[in-house]
Amino acid sequence: KAGVTQTPRYLIKTRGQQVTLSCSPISGHRSVSWYQQTPGQGLQFLFEYFSETQRNKGNFPGRFSGRQFSNSRSEMNVSTLELGDSALYLCASSPPLATYEQYFGPGTRLTVT
Amino acid sequence: EDQVTQSPEALRLQEGESSSLNCSYTVSGLRGLFWYRQDPGKGPEFLFTLYSAGEEKEKERLKATLTKKESFLHITAPKPEDSATYLCAAGRYGGATNKLIFGTGTLLAVQP
Repeated sequence: KAGVTQTPRYLIKTRGQQVTLSCSPISGHRSVSWYQQTPGQGLQFLFEYFSETQRNKGNFPGRFSGRQFSNSRSEMNVSTLELGDSALYLCASSPPLATYEQYFGPGTRLTVT
Repeated sequence: EDQVTQSPEALRLQEGESSSLNCSYTVSGLRGLFWYRQDPGKGPEFLFTLYSAGEEKEKERLKATLTKKESFLHITAPKPEDSATYLCAAGRYGGATNKLIFGTGTLLAVQP
């Protein structure tokens, strides 16, 4: 089975711009979660989607948003980028009967200049 | 407040020198305790899930154990390829949601 894929792998944006990241879960997985990873804060939960609905949300500002499509693929969007948004953004998918087992993609490295 | 703390932050071992990594947690309604391995520039790789105190899981040179307040990842006779950051995460009971609370990790370096 193919693993979780994320595109693009690397991205450089300017402060004030917006960005969209994409995640394709493992086939058969319907839950997709997003995390932000920085050296200082570690992995922090952004949000989780299941069957196109947001089920849970972390403590991030409204500039961070996401959505999930009917094929379980997910996107996250960050508007009005700030320097502090530079991070590795990780997507994880979970199998139907083991929803706490999360399988991560390689991440998208976002650099904001 | 839910919290997961890992120690030490970094650990350097000689090849073959066994040791343990610690993960202490303060989480109400713990749903499970998870261990991941993360190599530089890659996403975390799932290793183990532990659901109840006293449970143990093994995989090659790794063994994870769980008590009511902490979890240990024991590394027996490590090899250089075991070098990575090891993350633990607590799943908090809250219905069907999948929120995991991660520790900041232990960076393990195994020298030949």
